[in-house]
Amino acid sequence: AQTVTQSQPEMSVQEAETVTLSCTYDTSENNYYLFWYKQPPSRQMILVIRQEAYKQQNATENRFSVNFQKAAKSFSLKISDSQLGDTAMYFCAFMKPSTGNQFYFGTGTSLTVIP
Amino acid sequence: DSGVTQTPKHLITATGQRVTLRCSPRSGDLSVYWYQQSLDQGLQFLIQYYNGEERAKGNILERFSAQQFPDLHSELNLSSLELGDSALYFCASSAQDRNTEAFFGQGTRLTVV
Repeated sequence: AQTVTQSQPEMSVQEAETVTLSCTYDTSENNYYLFWYKQPPSRQMILVIRQEAYKQQNATENRFSVNFQKAAKSFSLKISDSQLGDTAMYFCAFMKPSTGNQFYFGTGTSLTVIP
Repeated sequence: DSGVTQTPKHLITATGQRVTLRCSPRSGDLSVYWYQQSLDQGLQFLIQYYNGEERAKGNILERFSAQQFPDLHSELNLSSLELGDSALYFCASSAQDRNTEAFFGQGTRLTVV
């Protein structure tokens, strides 16, 4: 079974500062994908960033970047220049193509950006 | 807007009742996934359909069932409802069965009283 662990239930960061959210996962698969989803108070699930396990280069999307350590099974999200709109729940998710596209989610990190 | 439409947005019903949640995937997407998010928890995978056929099952109770119709919309049926079934139910769709990301609808909030 695949498990995804987010060990930080809550975090806060000052506006314009940088914050890193942690995620670890456990799998015996070699081909898989990792994602960070954002869930603002509207409850919509919004894709923030994705990483293919076969790619060594860390994914980057504007202010969002990941630190993917495959051997350590770690997938952290760094948010630079934090903005008030970044306040949300952040979920780390794992997907393996071998059994379809279902996601295995962590329990989430509630991030608050402080003005 | 993800292109995935879920109805209704909110639903309040009594214990023991049955409800149907509906999902219209993005245009052209063949796969539909259902997830349950209980209060302040991560999403739990329930079931996946691909082009009308069940493809994978997760932690779906026997009281729950789903189907995908020829026009590719999907319905999740929840019966003999219990208080613990109160949750946000998400539908997601993807273009192919594998190797593509999924796009989520806005969810249906079910409250069982």
